[in-house]
Amino acid sequence: GAGVSQSPSNKVTEKGKDVELRCDPISGHTALYWYRQSLGQGLEFLIYFQGNSAPDKSGLPSDRFSAERTGGSVSTLTIQRTQQEDSAVYLCASSLAGGGGETQYFGPGTRLLVL
Amino acid sequence: EDQVTQSPEALRLQEGESSSLNCSYTVSGLRGLFWYRQDPGKGPEFLFTLYSAGEEKEKERLKATLTKKESFLHITAPKPEDSATYLCAVHPRGTSYGKLTFGQGTILTVHP
Repeated sequence: GAGVSQSPSNKVTEKGKDVELRCDPISGHTALYWYRQSLGQGLEFLIYFQGNSAPDKSGLPSDRFSAERTGGSVSTLTIQRTQQEDSAVYLCASSLAGGGGETQYFGPGTRLLVL
Repeated sequence: EDQVTQSPEALRLQEGESSSLNCSYTVSGLRGLFWYRQDPGKGPEFLFTLYSAGEEKEKERLKATLTKKESFLHITAPKPEDSATYLCAVHPRGTSYGKLTFGQGTILTVHP
């Protein structure tokens, strides 16, 4: 079946501009996660959505970052007033449920470059 | 603080030369330990989930094992197509249901 999809694959933007990254999870998966992978760094948790519960935003690095999930499916990660240090690969993952210990399946990522 | 340390950082093998990758973790409790493979320019691809010490799982040339402090990914008779970065992640107890803590990864290169 179809896996997690993300768009765009690549995004180049200028410092100070806003960007939106999209994630379409695996059909039937109720939990959705965003991670960031910077050059030379491990994957860093950003935010987690589970069903209709309030999202866990504990990993968002600043208030310039926000995310929403509409209709329990597609999610959008928004970065306002981008900075050069925001350049990274943004990965989305989904799992069947968020009950703990669930396997997370990742999308291909969006490569963001802030000039 | 929960920590995951992978070693070695990089490993170069000849085709057919078996070896192991290590993932050491320090957590207050473990809900699950995950192994992923990541090819350049792609997202992590799920390999294994381990839940309790003593558990083992196998897939083709790969075998993952788990103790209370570490996990090993054993690669038997590797082929060039096994070249990738291998990532280990833990889901500690007492944390957000969504938050995986990842190691830095081991870059594996298998030469023909």
